[in-house]
Amino acid sequence: DGGITQSPKYLFRKEGQNVTLSCEQNLNHDAMYWYRQDPGQGLRLIYYSQIVNDFQKGDIAEGYSVSREKKESFPLTVTSAQKNPTAFYLCASSIHLGQKDGYTFGSGTRLTVV
Amino acid sequence: SQELEQSPQSLIVQEGKNLTINCTSSKTLYGLYWYKQKYGEGLIFLMMLQKGGEEKSHEKITAKLDEKKQQSSLHITASQPSHAGIYLCGADMGPGHLGGADGLTFGKGTHLIIQP
Repeated sequence: DGGITQSPKYLFRKEGQNVTLSCEQNLNHDAMYWYRQDPGQGLRLIYYSQIVNDFQKGDIAEGYSVSREKKESFPLTVTSAQKNPTAFYLCASSIHLGQKDGYTFGSGTRLTVV
Repeated sequence: SQELEQSPQSLIVQEGKNLTINCTSSKTLYGLYWYKQKYGEGLIFLMMLQKGGEEKSHEKITAKLDEKKQQSSLHITASQPSHAGIYLCGADMGPGHLGGADGLTFGKGTHLIIQP
């Protein structure tokens, strides 16, 4: 069955560390997105990618980095520059930008700073 | 300012009762999407509305988009415990939004609790 897989489900980060969240899809979707969800804040867009080797900043890109070397994969790195990284992170994909038939979401990664 | 307002923020409903969740934008929307999220999990796509006056139903859930394409409502009939969760509306705000990304803008969500 096609879908999006996010790993790990739970992640703990020490102060000053970089951590990478994985997002893999086998839907053959061109576009992929990373959102951050905080209580009472809804979803905020971090980065998005339209095609392989291309990505753009969203609303809250500071302290994050991404890569899109393969169509199936869109990993998100939370760097030490991100001052408040504790949140629930969601990855999504769509057939392509402009094709508005909904996003498919992964099951999320909960990141906690310890 | 929040471009997409959802109301209410939270809702406690007795099992079997009907309920409505609203999603309002100050701008005309190109498309409106409803999602459901169980706590700590990903979002599940419910319905998409694109035309003014459009209405869609799935089982006991009905979503409508007004003629001006600025407001949508999600109505649940005879609520059940399985309806509990967070409901989020996502909107396509049109070309040029989010730097041309065509990404969706989301409301803050409505927490729905069903009391037995």
